[in-house]
Amino acid sequence: IVMTQSPDSLALSLGERATINCKSSQSVFHSPTSKSYLAWYQQKPGQPPKLLISWASNRESGVPDRFSGSGSGTDFTLTISSLQAEDVAVYYCQQYYSSLHSFGQGTRLEIK
Amino acid sequence: QVQLLESGGGVVHPGRSLRLSCKGSGFNFSRYSLHWVRQTPTNGLEWVAVISYDGKNDFYAASVRGRFSISRDNSKHTMYLQMDSLRLEDTAVYYCARGAVEATGGEPNDYWGQGTLVTVSS
Repeated sequence: IVMTQSPDSLALSLGERATINCKSSQSVFHSPTSKSYLAWYQQKPGQPPKLLISWASNRESGVPDRFSGSGSGTDFTLTISSLQAEDVAVYYCQQYYSSLHSFGQGTRLEIK
Repeated sequence: QVQLLESGGGVVHPGRSLRLSCKGSGFNFSRYSLHWVRQTPTNGLEWVAVISYDGKNDFYAASVRGRFSISRDNSKHTMYLQMDSLRLEDTAVYYCARGAVEATGGEPNDYWGQGTLVTVSS
């Protein structure tokens, strides 16, 4: 399954809304569980990726509520409602529907 | 707390082999599938391989299938990645990451190690 993110990079002002899109080449919705097998990760320089959101919209414990995920099937969105300085990072989507997990190419988020 | 610690990275010539290790602690190691994910500066994150909690099932990315082999020793809380016939394009930071409970897949990677650098160079 090929994951494609847009845009590749994004520069916004503090307090602005950030929207990152992710599209999968086939549906990652699992009918028996009614869940989309889609995660979002945040990676800061020199650190491993950090799981932010699982099942397309489930925020992990400790993740600020300005981060939200939405979407189903093949189209997904990560939204940061009000950009903070500490949100500067690269964001990746990942499908885990297939045993062969795959990631999007990443979206670099910077402060304007 | 959950910890994953990779080791074994280094500089190796093309065509040679290297074995990476990932030791887990702070969780019931034998109940979780484990993944290898690599990262290059230009290509972002690339999923490499997964091994089931009991070691009976494994899957590989097409780019490494037939050259890399994943294994685990639950008694030592350690997972391995045997990398043979290494190529220049295998140069990357290799991360181990925790996966699903008592299954091979179907869950995201909730904990990651700090990574170990593999450099393939002539």
